[in-house]
Amino acid sequence: AQSVAQPEDQVNVAEGNPLTVKCTYSVSGNPYLFWYVQYPNRGLQFLLKYITGDNLVKGSYGFEAEFNKSQTSFHLKKPSALVSDSALYFCAVRGYNFNKFYFGSGTKLNVKP
Amino acid sequence: DTEVTQTPKHLVMGMTNKKSLKCEQHMGHRAMYWYKQKAKKPPELMFVYSYEKLSINESVPSRFSPECPNSSLLNLHLHALQPEDSALYLCASSQDGGGTGANVLTFGAGSRLTVL
Repeated sequence: AQSVAQPEDQVNVAEGNPLTVKCTYSVSGNPYLFWYVQYPNRGLQFLLKYITGDNLVKGSYGFEAEFNKSQTSFHLKKPSALVSDSALYFCAVRGYNFNKFYFGSGTKLNVKP
Repeated sequence: DTEVTQTPKHLVMGMTNKKSLKCEQHMGHRAMYWYKQKAKKPPELMFVYSYEKLSINESVPSRFSPECPNSSLLNLHLHALQPEDSALYLCASSQDGGGTGANVLTFGAGSRLTVL
């Protein structure tokens, strides 16, 4: 079965420092991986996806993610964190049914001034 | 228009009430979804409509009844709900109803439901 895991419930980082939010995956076949962000009392917003090709994927708001096949990871990164990046981040993988997505448990990112 | 619009934003209902949540998109997306989300938890898939036909029902109790009147609209009819059904209900859509690897979900802001 397809699944993703986010090992950290919370990540704290100071504004201006680089940030990493971790995601590992378990899939049969080629992984189709996604990152979404959710601000309080809002729906999820798409950040980026990996389908195939370059292992470094660039997305919205300066975020990028690195696909690592040997480590089965798809970590979300940003070179310089902003206070406004504070939110809940979800990693997701597409299932065998193309309209079914499996979400990780979520990681709360806190960026402090 | 790149939005998914959900109404109402907040809904309070008693256990004997009948109410509906509505979702609308005008992006030409052919798949529409209902998710349920509890606080600080990931969204849980409830239903998927693909080309206006119900394609996935995640064994949701019958007190939740989805309806897709046309390709732009999705409703969730609620009846005899329980307090544990209180949650944020998210509607989403994606471009390809048949599903491809590039399928990206566009979410609405959600309807916050409280069942008393």
